[in-house]
Amino acid sequence: AQKVTQAQTEISVVEKEDVTLDCVYETRDTTYYLFWYKQPPSGELVFLIRRNSFDEQNEISGRYSWNFQKSTSSFNFTITASQVVDSAVYFCALSSYTGANSKLTFGKGITLSVRP
Amino acid sequence: DTGVSQNPRHKITKRGQNVTFRCDPISEHNRLYWYRQTLGQGPEFLTYFQNEAQLEKSRLLSDRFSAERPKGSFSTLEIQRTEQGDSAMYLCASSPGRGEPNSPLHFGNGTRLTVT
Repeated sequence: AQKVTQAQTEISVVEKEDVTLDCVYETRDTTYYLFWYKQPPSGELVFLIRRNSFDEQNEISGRYSWNFQKSTSSFNFTITASQVVDSAVYFCALSSYTGANSKLTFGKGITLSVRP
Repeated sequence: DTGVSQNPRHKITKRGQNVTFRCDPISEHNRLYWYRQTLGQGPEFLTYFQNEAQLEKSRLLSDRFSAERPKGSFSTLEIQRTEQGDSAMYLCASSPGRGEPNSPLHFGNGTRLTVT
């Protein structure tokens, strides 16, 4: 069975601070994908990033960066220079590398509040 | 790309009544997913269609739930004899189903169901 744990429930930062959201996952699959989604107050889940399990290179995309460590089953997400518009619930998710089905297992989410 | 559309946005019903939700995926997407999200939790997978074929159903989907995608375009999710425990946000998502595996899901705004 797959499981995603987001131990942090709520984080509050002041604008322009950097913030890291933690994610730990469990899976028996040898290949899999990891995702981060954002859910603003409007309710629509918005895709942010995706990483496959066979590429541990960490990347930066604009203000977003992620740290994937297979040895510790962690997939942490960092927002640099946070902005008020970043306030949302952030979900880490996991899917098997099936090539056919993008069924996701989500964590419980982290509520991020960015204060002006 | 007009996005995934769900109707209605909100539904209030009395216990024991039947309700039906509709999802219109992104037009060129042949995979469609239903998820359920309760307060403070991440979305949970319910079922998945590839074109008109329902390929997977979660154990969360009791006999009172039925989903259809008759022509491989829009989908409906019906709940019969609603119970208070059915109160949740019902999310629909779609993905291309061709090309790269595990392509990100595109979510709609959801239908919030309240059973009184």
